[in-house]
Amino acid sequence: KQEVTQIPAALSVPEGENLVLNCSFTDSAIYNLQWFRQDPGKGLTSLLLIQSSQREQTSGRLNASLDKSSGRSTLYIAASQPGDSATYLCAVSGNQGGKLIFGQGTELSVKP
Amino acid sequence: GAVVSQHPSWVICKSGTSVKIECRSLDFQATTMFWYRQFPKQSLMLMATSNEGSKATYEQGVEKDKFLINHASLTLSTLTVTSAHPEDSSFYICSADTGVSYNEQFFGPGTRLTVL
Repeated sequence: KQEVTQIPAALSVPEGENLVLNCSFTDSAIYNLQWFRQDPGKGLTSLLLIQSSQREQTSGRLNASLDKSSGRSTLYIAASQPGDSATYLCAVSGNQGGKLIFGQGTELSVKP
Repeated sequence: GAVVSQHPSWVICKSGTSVKIECRSLDFQATTMFWYRQFPKQSLMLMATSNEGSKATYEQGVEKDKFLINHASLTLSTLTVTSAHPEDSSFYICSADTGVSYNEQFFGPGTRLTVL
């Protein structure tokens, strides 16, 4: 059974810092991995999707890496801003078009 | 990116009543939609997978007679919470599979259900 873990559960940093969020999964046979952002009381915004054959994806200040063999992904946020404050969730799918298994999320707070 | 809407965004109902939540893909056709629920400070738990024109597939522990799912068209799926009770109070979120880009899922804004 696939299990997804995110560390840390919460993170508080001053504005301008670069930071790394971690995600690990127990079954390396994944189809894709997605990183999402969730603001309080809101739905999920898709940030990045990494296909199982890829090692990383970049969008603006965000860079996500994937090491399937070790069951790990990281989300790197450069030059953090207060507007980046939210909960970040990673999720993996195990087969084509299949359901997503979510981690518990990392609650990020960026202080001005 | 693809846009998914949900209606209503919040609903308050009395115990014993039924509530219907709609999930629509606005600018694409979704053969598969997913329904999740989220309790405060917790992550999303998949309830069921909904395929257009066929019966939904429910996750273990989810009562199919209580949470009725209908996927009548390629742009609309509905979740009906029947005979709602206070323990059904939660945040319900749907997602839609675009079928492209390695099946990237896009999520709706969620529906906050409060059962009194």
